[in-house]
Amino acid sequence: QVQLQESGPGLVKPSQTLSLTCTVSGGSISSNSYYWTWIRQPAGKGLEWIGRIYISGSTNYNPSLKSRVTISVDTSKNQFSLKLSSVTAADTAVYYCAGFVNTGHYDAFDIWGQGTMVTVSS
Amino acid sequence: DIQMTQSPSSLSASVGDRVTITCQASQDISNYLNWYQQRPGKAPNLLIYHASNLETGVPSRFSGSGSGTDFTFTISSLQPEDIGTYYCQHYDNLPYTFGQGTKLEIK
Repeated sequence: QVQLQESGPGLVKPSQTLSLTCTVSGGSISSNSYYWTWIRQPAGKGLEWIGRIYISGSTNYNPSLKSRVTISVDTSKNQFSLKLSSVTAADTAVYYCAGFVNTGHYDAFDIWGQGTMVTVSS
Repeated sequence: DIQMTQSPSSLSASVGDRVTITCQASQDISNYLNWYQQRPGKAPNLLIYHASNLETGVPSRFSGSGSGTDFTFTISSLQPEDIGTYYCQHYDNLPYTFGQGTKLEIK
């Protein structure tokens, strides 16, 4: 079955750019049924949808983060990536990549990575 | 953004108890609602999709109902492995948002 794995630095300095990659294995990122998504969760808090990308390259971002977020896809590597600029301590969180299946009758985050902790600190 | 409000924020119940969690949307979302379980240190796991459909492989003691703005998630007979935090999530429009979570513990 399809699996996701996040990778990237666990520590980022304030004002710098957070960069994470999600590798899709066991299936193709080019599936037209999935929106590839980033979600984050600060320690002890709830889940926040950051944004998503479709295989066409079309993206949607959370308005609360839109000015700082870029999500891209590399089909040759079966990966999609997150960049979050000008980070502060408020961006410290576990970051998950997830697949949102969208078929009209089955629409949900049915694939998740294990999550990666990113701390913003000098 | 659509706000999702879960109740209660936490609850403690005994093995075998019936457990109910509610989720209220700030506007009509039809039945565009999913439920997830998150065990400590793990990623969320889909339990219920489209408000009332049981995900493949999920035990039948889990169920969901509701439409519009009011939704209910039920565990018919609580088991020890059900501990964790439960989240509702809407997908009516972007940005998708989650409830604040309900932390479930065993008495």
